[in-house]
Amino acid sequence: AQKVTQAQTEISVVEKEDVTLDCVYETRDTTYYLFWYKQPPSGELVFLIRRNSFDEQNEISGRYSWNFQKSTSSFNFTITASQVVDSAVYFCALKIGRGSTLGRLYFGRGTQLTVWP
Amino acid sequence: GAGVSQSPSNKVTEKGKDVELRCDPISGHTALYWYRQSLGQGLEFLIYFQGNSAPDKSGLPSDRFSAERTGGSVSTLTIQRTQQEDSAVYLCASSLSDNYEQYFGPGTRLTVT
Repeated sequence: AQKVTQAQTEISVVEKEDVTLDCVYETRDTTYYLFWYKQPPSGELVFLIRRNSFDEQNEISGRYSWNFQKSTSSFNFTITASQVVDSAVYFCALKIGRGSTLGRLYFGRGTQLTVWP
Repeated sequence: GAGVSQSPSNKVTEKGKDVELRCDPISGHTALYWYRQSLGQGLEFLIYFQGNSAPDKSGLPSDRFSAERTGGSVSTLTIQRTQQEDSAVYLCASSLSDNYEQYFGPGTRLTVT
């Protein structure tokens, strides 16, 4: 079975602080994909990043960076120098690479990030 | 380009009535998904269409829920005899193909009174 755990329900930081959102996943498949989505107060889910199970390279995009570690089944997301506009719910998701349920995403419960000015 | 669109944005219905929710995917996307989001259940997968293959209906919570996709594009999610527990935001997403990222629409907020 597939499962995604985001243990942090809520995080509050002050602007300019760095913050890391944790994501731990479970799957027996060797081929899978991991995603992060952002859901701002407006409600629409916004795609941030996709990684496949064969690529453990960390990625940086501006103030965002992602740390993928297969040894610990984790795909953590760090925001550097946080800003008020980063306030949102962040979801980690898993998709397996084969089988009849190929397309569906398994979502974590999300982490509500609040950045105070 | 245009993103995924959904209609209506809000729907209030009485218990026992049928409702239809519509999704227009991004042009050229072959895969289409329905999810629902509620406070108690988080983001739940409902159904997935990929090209001309049989849809994956494994997430539909009961036989009151059904969905179709016409001409490989627009999709309609139908809920018959709505119940209060059906109240949620219904999200549609599309992707180029199975292994690509999914792009979500703004959702339809369904309230069953």
